[in-house]
Amino acid sequence: GESVGLHLPTLSVQEGDNSIINCAYSNSASDYFIWYKQESGKGPQFIIDIRSNMDKRQGQRVTVLLNKTVKHLSLQIAATQPGDSAVYFCAENLNNAGNMLTFGGGTRLMVKP
Amino acid sequence: DVKVTQSSRYLVKRTGEKVFLECVQDMDHENMFWYRQDPGLGLRLIYFSYDVKMKEKGDIPEGYSVSREKKERFSLILESASTNQTSMYLCASSFMGDGYTFGSGTRLTVV
Repeated sequence: GESVGLHLPTLSVQEGDNSIINCAYSNSASDYFIWYKQESGKGPQFIIDIRSNMDKRQGQRVTVLLNKTVKHLSLQIAATQPGDSAVYFCAENLNNAGNMLTFGGGTRLMVKP
Repeated sequence: DVKVTQSSRYLVKRTGEKVFLECVQDMDHENMFWYRQDPGLGLRLIYFSYDVKMKEKGDIPEGYSVSREKKERFSLILESASTNQTSMYLCASSFMGDGYTFGSGTRLTVV
């Protein structure tokens, strides 16, 4: 498969363990945050989002945590599976910036069987 | 499900050719975007559009143009392809205030 990034931070976890991927965002006025998953050779897929009036949101096997005090976003994946291997991006939407998202550089998650 | 369809997954073009990358979305989204993605550089915005016949330059518009004659279609044009435009091109669409839905990408190689 093709690489989406050769110089990405990498997180390596054992299958079945929980994964935590972190993201520091840049603007304290951002009010909407999204996590995307990108598998090799494919476009990014929406995983989960959270608005700034919340500090936690849960989906199926995924949880996003937002700490506005330190401008930090994290994605937790429970019981990580080989199919979770991908690059994960966070994105922020600055309030009053129309619909322009700013993307983080991404973290590569590798799941060891 | 929202679908954003990019016409080609892989494309090989010669230097100097005019290249059209097509993107169609089926959810009546107002906003459409073109990004390129390169190793170590992440996603870089080329052009975007918030409405039909409207276009705005992103961060790296040089060497590209766009067309949005219909709401569902946003085309990226490489006027004269060069080898430094070899990249993965991603189209996305959205409603205002929502996240983007991306297409599968077009891997363009210019030789």
